[in-house]
Amino acid sequence: TQLLEQSPQFLSIQEGENLTVYCNSSSVFSSLQWYRQEPGEGPVLLVTVVTGGEVKKLKRLTFQFGDARKDSSLHITAAQPGDTGLYLCAGRAAGNKLTFGGGTRVLVKP
Amino acid sequence: KAGVTQTPRYLIKTRGQQVTLSCSPISGHRSVSWYQQTPGQGLQFLFEYFSETQRNKGNFPGRFSGRQFSNSRSEMNVSTLELGDSALYLCASSLAGAGDLYEQYFGPGTRLTVT
Repeated sequence: TQLLEQSPQFLSIQEGENLTVYCNSSSVFSSLQWYRQEPGEGPVLLVTVVTGGEVKKLKRLTFQFGDARKDSSLHITAAQPGDTGLYLCAGRAAGNKLTFGGGTRVLVKP
Repeated sequence: KAGVTQTPRYLIKTRGQQVTLSCSPISGHRSVSWYQQTPGQGLQFLFEYFSETQRNKGNFPGRFSGRQFSNSRSEMNVSTLELGDSALYLCASSLAGAGDLYEQYFGPGTRLTVT
């Protein structure tokens, strides 16, 4: 069973601060996705990373896939209240089943 | 383009009953996956259907079942409901099937409460 552990579980910061969310596993994934989920809605895909060492930037969000394809991080620069939500990482391995991490709840206070 | 729709949005059932949830994927999408989301266990994969065939299955008991119709709409059924089945059930659709880069689009979910 592939397990994905996210840390921290909860993060509360002030608007303008930076934050990093981590996603770790002992298993190798062929790709890893990051989602954001807001209350009352389903998760929305933010990015997919495929290559070990890959870095993708989406405006103020930076995603990194570890060299060994076992871990990933999401960094938000100058967080805004609109970044508040549940951030989920999800890894895809053999068999194509998507395994989700437990999630990191981010609260950005104005 | 309409998104993934799930019905009903909220449901209250009692232990021992059964329930059927419905998912209509984005037009043209042939793959539908179901997930259960709870505060304790997070988001867990239930099963995936592609062209009316179950292609992948998670580690859930046989009380959880699903099917997909020729128009790609999908239903999932839970029989003999238990209190622990209370959860948000999410459906996600995608264009094709195998491959790492296809994107899944999630519906808003059905909130099931078992009393």
